[in-house]
Amino acid sequence: QQQVKQSPQSLIVQKGGISIINCAYENTAFDYFPWYQQFPGKGPALLIAIRPDVSEKKEGRFTISFNKSAKQFSLHIMDSQPGDSATYFCAASGTTDSWGKLQFGAGTQVVVTP
Amino acid sequence: DTEVTQTPKHLVMGMTNKKSLKCEQHMGHRAMYWYKQKAKKPPELMFVYSYEKLSINESVPSRFSPECPNSSLLNLHLHALQPEDSALYLCASSQDPRTGVLYNEQFFGPGTRLTVL
Repeated sequence: QQQVKQSPQSLIVQKGGISIINCAYENTAFDYFPWYQQFPGKGPALLIAIRPDVSEKKEGRFTISFNKSAKQFSLHIMDSQPGDSATYFCAASGTTDSWGKLQFGAGTQVVVTP
Repeated sequence: DTEVTQTPKHLVMGMTNKKSLKCEQHMGHRAMYWYKQKAKKPPELMFVYSYEKLSINESVPSRFSPECPNSSLLNLHLHALQPEDSALYLCASSQDPRTGVLYNEQFFGPGTRLTVL
């Protein structure tokens, strides 16, 4: 079963708008939550990651919000640009015997219109 | 250098062929991974190597045979594949937990697009 649930499956946003992607998890042993960006025909690229000891992390136009009690985290893309059009995957992993196993969400295809 | 390289970029093979995929990294990472990714799906973990030893095999069919000849190289040997094995094969690397790092920050290569006829 999928350990990380991601939504929406796809979204269309106008240039300059905000893209929001949500993920939820159940396993409280997860303590590392990365986001990957993947362009067609390319490998996933690590975009930004967060640990449970912070509630928000910002890098440029990309922000992760983390709600430990709700077991949810989200990616906000501010001032979305056509070059941000890609598939975004959230993921989660723990630091114990599950090392090496990134649990991916199903992915969100983001299209930014000019 | 934060790059993982993979060769070839594309590979077409018949069901009776034997071929190999190659992955290389020079980040000093001692954990390396093979993933399989189907269209519009997330990557699926196949194998994990830690210090050149196989540590995780996610019940992958024996027609896929991984090999880690040294700390920078990872190969995936392919034999008698099926058309449903057509996919993007991704290699990734990360620090190993035995180095004391806590978080599994994985860096992916560009992948090899495999088509099995």
